[in-house]
Amino acid sequence: DVKVTQSSRYLVKRTGEKVFLECVQDMDHENMFWYRQDPGLGLRLIYFSYDVKMKEKGDIPEGYSVSREKKERFSLILESASTNQTSMYLCASSSGTAEATNEKLFFGSGTQLSVL
Amino acid sequence: KQEVTQIPAALSVPEGENLVLNCSFTDSAIYNLQWFRQDPGKGLTSLLLIQSSQREQTSGRLNASLDKSSGRSTLYIAASQPGDSATYLCAVAPRNTGANSKLTFGKGITLSVRP
Repeated sequence: DVKVTQSSRYLVKRTGEKVFLECVQDMDHENMFWYRQDPGLGLRLIYFSYDVKMKEKGDIPEGYSVSREKKERFSLILESASTNQTSMYLCASSSGTAEATNEKLFFGSGTQLSVL
Repeated sequence: KQEVTQIPAALSVPEGENLVLNCSFTDSAIYNLQWFRQDPGKGLTSLLLIQSSQREQTSGRLNASLDKSSGRSTLYIAASQPGDSATYLCAVAPRNTGANSKLTFGKGITLSVRP
């Protein structure tokens, strides 16, 4: 089975801190994604990557950046955390190229981030 | 812009019932549709994926159907059990890009199965 591992289950940070969320997948998937999930708003795509060193903005990239130096690892960076970035962050991966579609999406367990 | 709606937001049923969860989408130009399960405080688990050329997919007690022309999908759960209690989300991938990158998710239906 595909395993997508997020480094932290819960995080508490202060406003203005730089925050790193790490995600590792073990199935050699090309595509990796970062979502945030908020009550009443559902899942929203922040960034995705379809190859090493490649990244594309999702629907809500403001205030975030990403890094993908190795195929198995996709990091989400909050340059200066703000209270409105308190949320559940979900990492996901899927196989195939950006054009390949009929592949299931596999999610990590999530990181609940609280910014105080 | 694609919109995915799941109504009702919550559902409570007694154990043993067969039940149907609905998902509707506004743009029928989709590449595939996925159903996910999410347990409280956890990530999502993909249950079934229906390609646009398919009408349904089955896995155990779960059956998902797709009617693109009417913009609807249903997830049928047979003989529901308390362990089925979770939030069920559907998501569609658009045909123009086809990539998982542009999945549009519904907000989910929170199911509670009472013993």
